Amino acid sequence: QQQVKQSPQSLIVQKGGISIINCAYENTAFDYFPWYQQFPGKGPALLIAIRPDVSEKKEGRFTISFNKSAKQFSLHIMDSQPGDSATYFCAALRLRDSNYQLIWGAGTKLIIKP
Amino acid sequence: DTGVSQDPRHKITKRGQNVTFRCDPISEHNRLYWYRQTLGQGPEFLTYFQNEAQLEKSRLLSDRFSAERPKGSFSTLEIQRTEQGDSAMYLCASSLGGGGRLKDEQFFGPGTRLTVL
Repeated sequence: QQQVKQSPQSLIVQKGGISIINCAYENTAFDYFPWYQQFPGKGPALLIAIRPDVSEKKEGRFTISFNKSAKQFSLHIMDSQPGDSATYFCAALRLRDSNYQLIWGAGTKLIIKP
Repeated sequence: DTGVSQDPRHKITKRGQNVTFRCDPISEHNRLYWYRQTLGQGPEFLTYFQNEAQLEKSRLLSDRFSAERPKGSFSTLEIQRTEQGDSAMYLCASSLGGGGRLKDEQFFGPGTRLTVL
């Protein structure tokens, strides 16, 4: 009930293409869904986040699509660039929890081919 | 640099030794988190501080692990009698917190990579 399942494990996309990473969750009490980007040797950095009261959020080339009934959300990277090559993690959080404990997916290693 | 800093960045130790890591959060942040990340996995929550109070500890945190945050500023994570299974990246994050906030963005440090031989 606490899991967040992420797919695919790895993804190779041509430069200029669309990268799509999917996540599914089980606990309907989650109410905040961030995506993090992590480069080798660095800590994760928040990329974009969404709350379940909206179905889509766009920031630049990054879009989160959220399907509350299916308990799924996805990250779309438009016009993918080699600099986007990194590991991406989805996560979920129940804001009402006192510990603000993020539950993480296993990550997707994205490679953008020039 | 006003981000989260961690020290050391890398630590190699022999099994059975004690190690201590330090985290300096962003100065005005009152929440501090420790995570452990193994290769190919997402971070796993270890513990959480609100100011100097340790409010939550994961089941992952055995008796050999202890964390402190004296005076609500920097934090230390100590692992006693290290085991090879402790080899991982240890990440620290901080957040601003505060009443009424609907989201609590966590800013991560670069991590300390621990290798236990």
